[in-house]
This record gives sequence, C-alpha cells and structure tokens, in this order.
Amino acid sequence: DVKVTQSSRYLVKRTGEKVFLECVQDMDHENMFWYRQDPGLGLRLIYFSYDVKMKEKGDIPEGYSVSREKKERFSLILESASTNQTSMYLCASTSGAKSEQFFGPGTRLTVL
Amino acid sequence: GENVEQHPSTLSVQEGDSAVIKCTYSDSASNYFPWYKQELGKGPQLIIDIRSNVGEKKDQRIAVTLNKTAKHFSLHITETQPEDSAVYFCAADTGAGSYQLTFGKGTKLSVIP
Repeated sequence: DVKVTQSSRYLVKRTGEKVFLECVQDMDHENMFWYRQDPGLGLRLIYFSYDVKMKEKGDIPEGYSVSREKKERFSLILESASTNQTSMYLCASTSGAKSEQFFGPGTRLTVL
Repeated sequence: GENVEQHPSTLSVQEGDSAVIKCTYSDSASNYFPWYKQELGKGPQLIIDIRSNVGEKKDQRIAVTLNKTAKHFSLHITETQPEDSAVYFCAADTGAGSYQLTFGKGTKLSVIP
C-alpha cells in the first residue's frame, strides 16, 4: 500500500521559532509537493521538488524554504514562524505529470 | 497562470439524490483534470480524473464531464450515500507537461440520511 507520511499530526510553536515539517514517501516518486490548506482557500502550492536537491517555488513561497537531500524525504522549513502561518500543511508525491498525487494526512500547525 | 473556480462551496443533498459540482479553468493549455475527495482528518484522495481527449468518464456512481471549448468540467455523484459526505476538490494541470496542479477552493458535500 502506497504511503506518504508526515512527521506530526499536530504541532504548536511560538512566534519566531524555526519549524521543520517532514514528509516521507515510500513509492520511489521523483516529484514531491508541499501545500497549505486554509478554509475557503483550498490547497495552495508552497514549493515542489522534481528531483533530489531540486526545488521550485509554488504560488505562496514567502516565509518558507524546503530541503530535499534524499529522494524519499521532503522537508518544509519555516525560518521564523508567524501567526499567519497557522494552517494545515499537506505533503504529496507523484510519479510524473498528469498522474495521481498521493497525499499525506496533514500537519495542523498552530503558531502562538 | 491557471485559475480554477469551483461551485458551490457547500452542497446538501438527501441520501439517494444526485450531486453535481462544477469547475471552470482559465488556461486552454490544461489537459488533465482530477477530482479529489477529502474525508475528515485525512489527506485528499484521487477519486476520478479526465484527460482532454475524452468528454466523459464514469466509475460506478461517479462521473466527470469535460467541455474544453467552454473550459469547464463537472463531477456527478449519483445515488448519494452518507459516506459520500466529504470535501471535494477539482484541479487542473498547469499545462505543457507540468507536474503542478491548481486546485479549486473545495465543495463541502453533506448527504443527509
């Protein structure tokens, strides 16, 4: 059974903290994505990676960075968390263009 | 870039009735249109997709139609059941071999027993 796992289901951080969200997939997919989900706004793409050490900005990259050192792992980094980054974060992976994206269960991040 | 509009934002139907969710897109280069279902506490999961070389696709109680000329596509769920209650997202690829999807804002479907 294909699987995308995220390191935490719930996370509470303080303003200004550095936050790491980890995502691991076991499908040997080359392409991985980080989305942010907010009520009424749907899923918005933050960053994606099409290969190890490769990354591309999505629609809302400001305040975020990413790291992909290994094929199976894609990390989202909030360098200095702010309250407006309180959200649900979803990781996904896919084998190629016009193919199913497999999503993790999400991490609900609260920044106080 | 691609823009995807989805309507309605909420939809309530009686069990056994049909539900229709509609989406429009802006980029004529888009040619892949998936639909995802998100149940409470879970990530979205693909339920059906359609490519621009076909106008309709069915999978049991679920069907998707595509009108490329008008740039809109729709999800049809027949004989709805309580387990169909979820948030549904439409999406469109950003064209030209891109891996990216642009998602609609979602429709919360409630099926009333």
